[in-house]
Amino acid sequence: GQQLNQSPQSMFIQEGEDVSMNCTSSSIFNTWLWYKQDPGEGPVLLIALYKAGELTSNGRLTAQFGITRKDSFLNISASIPSDVGIYFCAGLGVQGAQKLVFGQGTRLTINP
Amino acid sequence: GAVVSQHPSWVICKSGTSVKIECRSLDFQATTMFWYRQFPKQSLMLMATSNEGSKATYEQGVEKDKFLINHASLTLSTLTVTSAHPEDSSFYICSASSSGRAQDTQYFGPGTRLTVL
Repeated sequence: GQQLNQSPQSMFIQEGEDVSMNCTSSSIFNTWLWYKQDPGEGPVLLIALYKAGELTSNGRLTAQFGITRKDSFLNISASIPSDVGIYFCAGLGVQGAQKLVFGQGTRLTINP
Repeated sequence: GAVVSQHPSWVICKSGTSVKIECRSLDFQATTMFWYRQFPKQSLMLMATSNEGSKATYEQGVEKDKFLINHASLTLSTLTVTSAHPEDSSFYICSASSSGRAQDTQYFGPGTRLTVL
């Protein structure tokens, strides 16, 4: 089945630093989504990408849909304490298009 | 953004009992709802897809007779874990989509923590 490889698995940064994480796949995806999950909560949508090459920002967050449709990255600029959490990429593929495939997650920890 | 609620937020039950979890879309009509399971420090795994008024489609390896899904209205889907066992303990999360189109975004509920003793 389709799989997403998300990296890094965890990040330990200082407040104010920029963050970058990415997802890759051997399969083509039509839609890429980035979610953030806080402990004991459901994922919250951060950014949705619908077209290859699309670059979208949401405040300090920027995400891009790779031109090959097999990858996406998420950048967070000037990190703040509330950015702590687990970030998941998710893709909607060509086949079974309604079914989201999730990456393994990136756990972000910010040192004060 | 769209709001999806789940009830209960957590439940503890004895082995062998059944537990029902509700998922509601509060401000939109959800043609399709999805049920996920998430074990500690792992990603979300899709269990089943339910469309209003029809039978749910289960992912490979998910027992349909153990995880009963009902999507009787455009705003409510329920997941019943029958004859629960300790290995069913997990974080169950639903999501809802306003139509069946691939591009439509899924909005997630806050999750239900199930602990089976």
